[in-house]
Amino acid sequence: QSALTQPASVSGSPGQSISISCTGTSSDVGNYDLVSWYQQHPGKAPKLMIYEGSKRPSGVSYRFSGSKSGNTASLTISGLQAEDEADYYCCSYAGSSTYVFGTGTKVTVL
Amino acid sequence: EVQLVESGGGLVQPGGSLRLSCAASGFTFSSYWMSWVRQAPGKGLEWVANIKEDGSEKYYVDSVKGRFTISRDNAKNSLYLQMNSLRVEDTAVYYCVTPANDAFDIWGQGTMVTVSS
Repeated sequence: QSALTQPASVSGSPGQSISISCTGTSSDVGNYDLVSWYQQHPGKAPKLMIYEGSKRPSGVSYRFSGSKSGNTASLTISGLQAEDEADYYCCSYAGSSTYVFGTGTKVTVL
Repeated sequence: EVQLVESGGGLVQPGGSLRLSCAASGFTFSSYWMSWVRQAPGKGLEWVANIKEDGSEKYYVDSVKGRFTISRDNAKNSLYLQMNSLRVEDTAVYYCVTPANDAFDIWGQGTMVTVSS
């Protein structure tokens, strides 16, 4: 149950695209198409942005997309906006009804 | 409106106990798995425990096994987390969460637990 690995920080200018990686193992990310992504603004509860690797819940902007290759999942934010500045966490199903979160990435809009 | 409201957090000494509660409304509580997720101050998210719709299955992160117990009362639309033998490293905001599609969909506002002497 080791945390998934994410970069500590990623930054971009308004309008640019950025990607956040989430690296796990063959026991979690690599074994299931069940990675989810969360956005968290300071002092607020997390918000689900992507589930089942690439699906967006109702109300989440199309600018957010998810993908996976092997043991690494990625979240891409296109057309970066000031409101996207937040912390982002990935999470993967790890079998036997357990889950593991990523270490978190702070996104800064320059 | 779907809502989850946690309560029961506070300051407790190491080795002490605390019981968190989560009141659910706006959805059919008895039809959903429920979870607790925590976040230590300035740190990342950590899944803590899950419980099946009828309470027949429970799962925990290794660090709380044998110390924490998740339970629910479907008649009261409530979720609980009994925390015993608390440690300083259990200090965190504890969120009540409704999972769906193997993701954490609806979150409460969280309740702060501080373990300190």
